[in-house]
Amino acid sequence: DTAVSQTPKYLVTQMGNDKSIKCEQNLGHDTMYWYKQDSKKFLKIMFSYNNKELIINETVPNRFSPKSPDKAHLNLHINSLELGDSAVYFCASSSHAQDNQPQHFGDGTRLSIL
Amino acid sequence: AQSVTQLDSQVPVFEEAPVELRCNYSSSVSVYLFWYVQYPNQGLQLLLKYLSGSTLVESINGFEAEFNKSQTSFHLRKPSVHISDTAEYFCAVSEDGSTLGRLYFGRGTQLTVWP
Repeated sequence: DTAVSQTPKYLVTQMGNDKSIKCEQNLGHDTMYWYKQDSKKFLKIMFSYNNKELIINETVPNRFSPKSPDKAHLNLHINSLELGDSAVYFCASSSHAQDNQPQHFGDGTRLSIL
Repeated sequence: AQSVTQLDSQVPVFEEAPVELRCNYSSSVSVYLFWYVQYPNQGLQLLLKYLSGSTLVESINGFEAEFNKSQTSFHLRKPSVHISDTAEYFCAVSEDGSTLGRLYFGRGTQLTVWP
């Protein structure tokens, strides 16, 4: 009965490939996020969607494209993967962006680029 | 933009000793404050939060944090730690009035509890 679930948990692929990470939340939240955690465990927000509308788009290469088919799902597609994309990617959700309520995180997707 | 500073990247302590993990933020506006805990190979879990009201907030597993507006701090404390408290701890801040729900994270503090 996971609240925020991401698939896959591990992703190992070669440079230049295209891959997608899926995220689903069953909390009825309006807002979803993607974070990148680097090897030093620093967390940086990448994107945020509120009711399927993009509200945060940080300085992220345009090889990264989020897609929100409905407010319970926020997927991340990455084109032409590079070595520097190796990281743990976390999906999160919160009730409403403007409420400043806590965010609920998934368990992460560990992406390794060979 | 907010800046969140966790002064200690690693804190080693012995079991049953007290611990304090420090967090300072930069904002001069009203803020909401959070501590998250990350166990190995897991996502972040909310440990405690300050939204309003009493400046001392507590978690169910014995941690507490105190919001100090004048010192722009939100230090996390526990009077007696257990080995199971070994984890990475993140302080996070969001700004009152923001409609984006943006969280600014510190760089984390690795708490290691030794027997």
